[in-house]
Amino acid sequence: GQNIDQPTEMTATEGAIVQINCTYQTSGFNGLFWYQQHAGEAPTFLSYNVLDGLEEKGRFSSFLSRSKGYSYLLLKELQMKDSASYLCAVRDNAGKSTFGDGTTLTVKP
Amino acid sequence: DTEVTQTPKHLVMGMTNKKSLKCEQHMGHRAMYWYKQKAKKPPELMFVYSYEKLSINESVPSRFSPECPNSSLLNLHLHALQPEDSALYLCASSQSPGQGAEVYGYTFGSGTRLTVV
Repeated sequence: GQNIDQPTEMTATEGAIVQINCTYQTSGFNGLFWYQQHAGEAPTFLSYNVLDGLEEKGRFSSFLSRSKGYSYLLLKELQMKDSASYLCAVRDNAGKSTFGDGTTLTVKP
Repeated sequence: DTEVTQTPKHLVMGMTNKKSLKCEQHMGHRAMYWYKQKAKKPPELMFVYSYEKLSINESVPSRFSPECPNSSLLNLHLHALQPEDSALYLCASSQSPGQGAEVYGYTFGSGTRLTVV
């Protein structure tokens, strides 16, 4: 089985940087995804990590340490539209992805 | 076309009704998924189809019956549902593992919001 932990809520200021952490335990790790989900909308894919290290995509970066079972999503130059839920999802060797409960990020002016 | 299209967007059904949710994608993805999402909860996997064959059933009650008529379509047939089945039902697709799923993740449809009365 899989166990995924993320903070429930975070608040940050427009223009700032925020780091959302995700820790996981899984019986067979085969990749970690980050998704963004605005209220009432479907999740949208942000990033994927399967090897240790940092993946950068514009204002968003994601980091993975497989030995520590740890990932984070880094959001830079925060904008009001970044207020959303951020979901960490871990895929196992059977191809099944399990989502964490999500972190609700509120960006304030 | 880079979208997953789900119909209907909203559905209200009685506990004795039979209805179907539909999902369509034309991205050439060979893996398709049904997820159920309750308010303020993460999506929960229900079924996975890989190359039109059911590969994962997460112990979903038989009142939910998936069907994959071809590589572009995925249906979820509903019968004798309970009020607690009310939720947002999300369809997603991806390249099969080994064919780019790692890069592009899942593409989700906008969902069907189901209310069982």
